[in-house]
Amino acid sequence: EPEVTQTPSHQVTQMGQEVILRCVPISNHLYFYWYRQILGQKVEFLVSFYNNEISEKSEIFDDQFSVERPDGSNFTLKIRSTKLEDSAMYFCASWGGAGGGSNEQFFGPGTRLTVL
Amino acid sequence: AQKITQTQPGMFVQEKEAVTLDCTYDTSDPSYGLFWYKQPSSGEMIFLIYQGSYDQQNATEGRYSLNFQKARKSANLVISASQLGDSAMYFCAIMLPLMRGTGNQFYFGTGTSLTVIP
Repeated sequence: EPEVTQTPSHQVTQMGQEVILRCVPISNHLYFYWYRQILGQKVEFLVSFYNNEISEKSEIFDDQFSVERPDGSNFTLKIRSTKLEDSAMYFCASWGGAGGGSNEQFFGPGTRLTVL
Repeated sequence: AQKITQTQPGMFVQEKEAVTLDCTYDTSDPSYGLFWYKQPSSGEMIFLIYQGSYDQQNATEGRYSLNFQKARKSANLVISASQLGDSAMYFCAIMLPLMRGTGNQFYFGTGTSLTVIP
């Protein structure tokens, strides 16, 4: 069964530091997503990425966030100057698209980010 | 406006009984997809079931079925023969296409916490 992987599983950082969260989507998928879930709350959409560019982003995804797919396999989320309120679980997801044979959006296991 | 509404923050069900988790959605787009995910205490998001807006029949996956009532814009999840391992948070989500045709966006509800009682 194909799966999305994320590293690290847990990241602890000091406020103001930069962090990079890494994801390896399913290899033949075309659409990639980052979501955030603050503890005990709902899953919030951050950004979607298609054809090497951002296709949609939410108001949460401000200038401190960026995404890239540097090498055709990894999909990264960078938070430039972390704030306490960035502490959350960050999920990466990928989807094969309408011709991909599956309607499932596959989620990774998440990275728990703790900002001190 | 909320795209997805889950009005039951918590539900209890006796083991082996069936339970219905409510979900209503709001969109004027004729093409969309509805998903249910399970999130156990370990935190991962587990896909359960999908219903496309043009699907004529209700989706079923093992003990999970989706009661899709398009006119009422509801997509309730029915879990039959509940098991202790079903205790988890359950999220309903809607997939909407982006205007530029470059993919889609997912909106999640606030979730329902299901507890199965032995």
